[in-house]
Amino acid sequence: EIVMTQSPATLSVSPGERATLSCRVSQIIYNNLAWYQQKPGQAPRLLIYGASTRATNIPARFSGSGSGTEFTLTISSLQSEDFAVYYCQQYNNWPRTFGQGTKVEIK
Amino acid sequence: QVHLVESGGGVVQPGRSLRLSCAASGFTFNTYAMHWVRQAPGKGLEWVAIIWYDGSNTYYADSVKGRFTISRDNSKNTLYLQMNGLRVDDTAVYYCARGLGQHDSWGRGTLVTV
Repeated sequence: EIVMTQSPATLSVSPGERATLSCRVSQIIYNNLAWYQQKPGQAPRLLIYGASTRATNIPARFSGSGSGTEFTLTISSLQSEDFAVYYCQQYNNWPRTFGQGTKVEIK
Repeated sequence: QVHLVESGGGVVQPGRSLRLSCAASGFTFNTYAMHWVRQAPGKGLEWVAIIWYDGSNTYYADSVKGRFTISRDNSKNTLYLQMNGLRVDDTAVYYCARGLGQHDSWGRGTLVTV
């Protein structure tokens, strides 16, 4: 099973600042990686797929990068609605696996 | 637009069974693979199972293999998860999600408490 390790567990950021989230993967997954955002009481929402392609209606302040085993989600200028938990997921192998999440909180 | 609605959750004793359903609308259901993903209270996301668009293939997480069965009825645009031998650690919100790779649409989930 592929292990996904996200860091940091919690990121404290002020509105308007940049946030950088990391996802490290235990095996090469090429670019078969997605990022999701989840707010309390809501279902996850797809942000990024193919490591760097924004999903439909996702603002340009969200960007993804990386390939192989190291991936990054960057939020260029945090808005109030961006404070949430973010998960990476690999879809290169079975079983599909998620990272444990990074909580982005208001500083 | 795409709409996924889970149902069938509830409180059940350990060892018992439960069947979840996911009603799909707003897209051509029989052309998409579908998944179940769960989330224990206060925890992260755990992938559970997938079924191919035509039901020809399935995969399961090791934690549910042999106990859970994913199926679909394309004539009813509905996805199912039959859960047998439920354990306390199966307690979670169960989401259905669309897509073979990334999950571009999710339901709101149904809570199963064991």
